[in-house]
Amino acid sequence: GQQVMQIPQYQHVQEGEDFTTYCNSSTTLSNIQWYKQRPGGHPVFLIQLVKSGEVKKQKRLTFQFGEAKKNSSLHITATQTTDVGTYFCAGRMARDSNYQLIWGAGTKLIIKP
Amino acid sequence: GAGVSQSPSNKVTEKGKDVELRCDPISGHTALYWYRQSLGQGLEFLIYFQGNSAPDKSGLPSDRFSAERTGGSVSTLTIQRTQQEDSAVYLCASSGRGGSYEQYFGPGTRLTVT
Repeated sequence: GQQVMQIPQYQHVQEGEDFTTYCNSSTTLSNIQWYKQRPGGHPVFLIQLVKSGEVKKQKRLTFQFGEAKKNSSLHITATQTTDVGTYFCAGRMARDSNYQLIWGAGTKLIIKP
Repeated sequence: GAGVSQSPSNKVTEKGKDVELRCDPISGHTALYWYRQSLGQGLEFLIYFQGNSAPDKSGLPSDRFSAERTGGSVSTLTIQRTQQEDSAVYLCASSGRGGSYEQYFGPGTRLTVT
């Protein structure tokens, strides 16, 4: 079935280091969304990418959608303690107009003490 | 405005009992989703309601699980004859439409089956 693979599962960084998580789909996506879940909280929408090769920035966060619309990445520059949490991607398959999102397994960002 | 609400926030039940979890979506949202999240894991899709269309039940793990959405608004997820492996956080989300719109999540119901 349709899958969105997300790596890595965990990433430990020192505060101030960069963080990146990657998502890959087996099929072409219509769009991809990114969510953040703080420890003990629920997922919160960050952004949606729709166009091939799209790049969007939110302060220290950079989101990319691949040219083939099969992969996406989230890069955080100079991580801060407020960035701690799990980041999920969720994609909608191109051929299904109303299909529910296919979720990646998430990447947990951990700041080393 | 009000967000997605869920009740109860916590539920402890004995193995074999039935439980009902409730979700109140954002007013006007036509799409409603139920997910399950075990500790430290990702989101497991359970069921999806979109307007008056037949729900997508493809994620329900067994016939002990069912859900309904009355009047296109409130939804109830029912788990019959609960098992210990049903212990998880059950999250509800709503969106303006289907997959093209961001999902707004409720705080979840933490279910513990003893």
